[in-house]
Amino acid sequence: DAEITQSPRHKITETGRQVTLACHQTWNHNNMFWYRQDLGHGLRLIHYSYGVQDTNKGEVSDGYSVSRSNTEDLPLTLESAASSQTSVYFCASSESYTGELFFGEGSRLTVL
Amino acid sequence: DQQVKQNSPSLSVQEGRISILNCDYTNSMFDYFLWYKKYPAEGPTFLISISSIKDKNEDGRFTVFLNKSAKHLSLHIVPSQPGDSAVYFCAAKALDSSYKLIFGSGTRLLVRP
Repeated sequence: DAEITQSPRHKITETGRQVTLACHQTWNHNNMFWYRQDLGHGLRLIHYSYGVQDTNKGEVSDGYSVSRSNTEDLPLTLESAASSQTSVYFCASSESYTGELFFGEGSRLTVL
Repeated sequence: DQQVKQNSPSLSVQEGRISILNCDYTNSMFDYFLWYKKYPAEGPTFLISISSIKDKNEDGRFTVFLNKSAKHLSLHIVPSQPGDSAVYFCAAKALDSSYKLIFGSGTRLLVRP
């Protein structure tokens, strides 16, 4: 069965460290997204990609970057982690014009 | 400025009764609206959607109603079951931003046995 997987599921890091969250999908979808979930804010879009070599900023992109070298993967990098980036991060993929996204199980990041 | 708003952070309903979750939006260029359900420690899963050219869509116990003049949509769950206890997110897709969704802040539904 096709799926979307995230790793690590849990990570604790220190302020200033670089962190990369991995996202891998086997749906063969061109469109991939990174969201963060915070209490009171719901899901906010960080970055997204509509295909290989394409990346775009979402509404909360400061301090984050992504790269898309193949269809399956969209890693999210925090260049210098800050406590404000403590959150649960969700990767998603889609090929539906109606907007239906398939989400991974999430990566909980704590920045101390 | 939140384009999609869920003003009720929580809702508690008795098993067997109707659950009504509400969502308001500000952008008249949204062409699809979706509801997602999320259990703890899991990713959100798609529940039901509606096109902006319709006013109702039904799937089993779940019905979504769209009132374009009021910029309001609602999700009805009838009858509610304890397994429906989860966080529900409303989301919208704009006509000019293919595939990208904007989410509300979520409503936590508790269905009491």
